[in-house]
Amino acid sequence: DADVTQTPRNRITKTGKRIMLECSQTKGHDRMYWYRQDPGLGLRLIYYSFDVKDINKGEISDGYSVSRQAQAKFSLSLESAIPNQTALYFCATQGIGGSPDTQYFGPGTRLTVL
Amino acid sequence: AQSVTQLDSQVPVFEEAPVELRCNYSSSVSVYLFWYVQYPNQGLQLLLKYLSGSTLVKSINGFEAEFNKSQTSFHLRKPSVHISDTAEYFCAVSKSGGSYIPTFGRGTSLIVHP
Repeated sequence: DADVTQTPRNRITKTGKRIMLECSQTKGHDRMYWYRQDPGLGLRLIYYSFDVKDINKGEISDGYSVSRQAQAKFSLSLESAIPNQTALYFCATQGIGGSPDTQYFGPGTRLTVL
Repeated sequence: AQSVTQLDSQVPVFEEAPVELRCNYSSSVSVYLFWYVQYPNQGLQLLLKYLSGSTLVKSINGFEAEFNKSQTSFHLRKPSVHISDTAEYFCAVSKSGGSYIPTFGRGTSLIVHP
């Protein structure tokens, strides 16, 4: 089984709809991240969480919110989706012991906002 | 703050030819450097990393990268590529001893032709 899972894998929605993307991990890592990937722009950080009580904005947090329900779960919400939020979204985890540098990524969620 | 520049957005190459994917970084402090690979329809996975010690680091599938502090570079090389190496490659940098949050480059698409 995959260490980092994301649901759904694909989603098509309409402008103005509320969308939630979910991420779960079995790696036991405290740190979790949400990124979006756009062609030619690489990965941009939306939000990150260093533990259940710690939530931080990344470089492109406007229009997004997150919830850290447990150490293993980190959800990303689009309160009112707009077309320029069409992108590939990745969740990642990172431990703080051993090798705190490496991130482990989920398979991604492809979101299309019409 | 650190930044990463991947100098080529796309690198086409024939199978069995050598390849170099270029990465330059900017940081006022010591850094950790990474190369991640993204195969089609998958999340990113770590290819190799430099934390300290030997400036030449290698992956299990024949890639290598050399940390050059004076040139602020971390170029990725492989002497003979395979069709299966076709993927998106991301260079990333984080501050050593800091928050360990990486900054990613925009990615280089390696396209290996038969």
